[in-house]
Amino acid sequence: GEDVEQSLFLSVREGDSSVINCTYTDSSSTYLYWYKQEPGAGLQLLTYIFSNMDMKQDQRLTVLLNKKDKHLSLRIADTQTGDSAIYFCAEREPGGYNKLIFGAGTRLAVHP
Amino acid sequence: GAVVSQHPSWVICKSGTSVKIECRSLDFQATTMFWYRQFPKQSLMLMATSNEGSKATYEQGVEKDKFLINHASLTLSTLTVTSAHPEDSSFYICSASPHLTGGYQETQYFGPGTRLLVL
Repeated sequence: GEDVEQSLFLSVREGDSSVINCTYTDSSSTYLYWYKQEPGAGLQLLTYIFSNMDMKQDQRLTVLLNKKDKHLSLRIADTQTGDSAIYFCAEREPGGYNKLIFGAGTRLAVHP
Repeated sequence: GAVVSQHPSWVICKSGTSVKIECRSLDFQATTMFWYRQFPKQSLMLMATSNEGSKATYEQGVEKDKFLINHASLTLSTLTVTSAHPEDSSFYICSASPHLTGGYQETQYFGPGTRLLVL
């Protein structure tokens, strides 16, 4: 079945870039997503990428997709303390129901 | 746009009682709504997929008689935890996908979650 894996923890210094990595197993996934979850809150959609794209940039966020290796990454430029949160990678399950398969989440800690 | 609300945001109840959680799409119509459960420091576990006007589709291992889902309109879905027990304590999150005509990208927008504590 489908599986999405992420590293569990990342610590960066304020102002540096953060790179959060994700691998997925289903090569037929059409969309891949990054969500952000702050403590005690729901998930906020950060960005998504369609499977025919290699890269997508949105302000401080850059998503890279390597379909051959089934690897997805999220780069946050100039990381701020407000970026501290859990970041979930998700792939859309093929089929008509728009089901998402989530990774375990990467906890990003930003320190001064 | 694309705001999803949940009510209540947190609830404490006694064991054996039933709890209803509402999920509303505020500025769009949602053909499909999803209910997730999240344990502390863990990922989201999909419980069921709810389509307006039809029965919900439950994931394997989720008791449909325990977790009743109703999707009565394009903007409202409810999850009722029946005869709640302490092991049902968790963070419940809903999401909604917009009803798009001619669109092919149906992003899920998430509610803020409901924290349930069963004593």
